Amino acid sequence: EAGVAQSPRYKIIEKRQSVAFWCNPISGHATLYWYQQILGQGPKLLIQFQNNGVVDDSQLPKDRFSAERLKGVDSTLKIQPAKLEDSAVYLCASSTGPRNTIYFGEGSWLTVV
Amino acid sequence: SQQGEEDPQALSIQEGENATMNCSYKTSINNLQWYRQNSGRGLVHLILIRSNEREKHSGRLRVTLDTSKKSSSLLITASRAADTASYFCATDGTSGTYKYIFGTGTRLKVLA
Repeated sequence: EAGVAQSPRYKIIEKRQSVAFWCNPISGHATLYWYQQILGQGPKLLIQFQNNGVVDDSQLPKDRFSAERLKGVDSTLKIQPAKLEDSAVYLCASSTGPRNTIYFGEGSWLTVV
Repeated sequence: SQQGEEDPQALSIQEGENATMNCSYKTSINNLQWYRQNSGRGLVHLILIRSNEREKHSGRLRVTLDTSKKSSSLLITASRAADTASYFCATDGTSGTYKYIFGTGTRLKVLA
């Protein structure tokens, strides 16, 4: 069974530029998550989808971050404009349901300079 | 917030010894999960324990849950150098969106 796929793995951008991350969850998983992990900290939930609807985006900085889940499968996370403090690993994850085991991708490393 | 907090923040042991990590949380939960993260990699799921369970095993891993104390522990027996990683607990809530909140992790170093 294929795992959660993410791209790109690494990205370096200048502040005020934009960046987009893509995620393909495990086939059949209805719940999709985007987490932000700053070095030395635990993952912080940015947004949670159930199929193509948003369940929770309470910690998503909506003035600069946006996310969508097309047709309830793939998802993209966009940051525009980026700030230095956005430097982090962006982890996509999926599960069969909101209370079940969460499976993570390898992450997309973002450095904002 | 039901965020879990792991203790200790860092742990260094010799290969072959046992490693114990603890997780405490604030509000009632349905489930608690433990994850491992190797440096530069994504999180790998270890064990999910439900609120009506007290103990679960998986290979060299043993997880206990004490809902009265709002705490969980992860025991790794006969540790190996390959167990060197950060370990996180994640807890959900009993209402609302059931989102999982992660703690800050325990960094385990197993010395060969």
